[in-house]
Amino acid sequence: EVQLVESGGGLVEPGRSLRLSCAASGFTFNNHAMHWVRQAPGKGLEWVSGISWNSGAIGYADSVKGRFTISRDNAKNSLYLQMNSLRAEDTALYYCAKDVCGGDCHSFDYWGQGTPVTVSS
Amino acid sequence: QSALTQPPSASGSPGHSVTISCTGTSSDVGGYNFVSWYQQHPGKAPKLMIYEVTKRPSGVPDRFSGSKSGNTASLTVSGLQAEDEADYYCNSYAGSDLGVFGTGTKVTVL
Repeated sequence: EVQLVESGGGLVEPGRSLRLSCAASGFTFNNHAMHWVRQAPGKGLEWVSGISWNSGAIGYADSVKGRFTISRDNAKNSLYLQMNSLRAEDTALYYCAKDVCGGDCHSFDYWGQGTPVTVSS
Repeated sequence: QSALTQPPSASGSPGHSVTISCTGTSSDVGGYNFVSWYQQHPGKAPKLMIYEVTKRPSGVPDRFSGSKSGNTASLTVSGLQAEDEADYYCNSYAGSDLGVFGTGTKVTVL
């Protein structure tokens, strides 16, 4: 059974940093691209960042480029999102999602339950 | 990276059909066959319903179908059932390792 479990969310002050983690199991992690998707309270889905199976291809939404860094550790079956210079508008539930492909199909067939991030003073 | 445009709402009676559009540009929807659709019930994680424009993951009823013409993709739900009432989002690859979601559509079963 595929499982994605996010952790690391919480309450943080504007300008501070937070690191999200996603522990994956139930599939061959290093065969698939992975993504972070967020959803602000009462709002729609926003793609945040994606990374290919071998970390050779990485993309970021304009809204987070230069502030967030995605990475993965295939030996640990884990995905990460380092979030720096956080802003109030980054407040959202952050989902980890598995891509159908190893490259970038942007087809997310499994999702975690999300970890909440609140940026507020 | 502008969000893809979806109608805010759509509705249909049980047993009838509803079609949701997803309009982008030649740089995303029109340029690639990597359009996917997601169903999200309140308080739940999204669920993949259609990928690569027309493909259905195992377990998704064949009442759900996808298509694309030019810069607009569509999701059709036939034989509407009460459990189909949810928010639906499209997503497209936008080149250069980027992606974009649609604005979302709330489907109501009358």
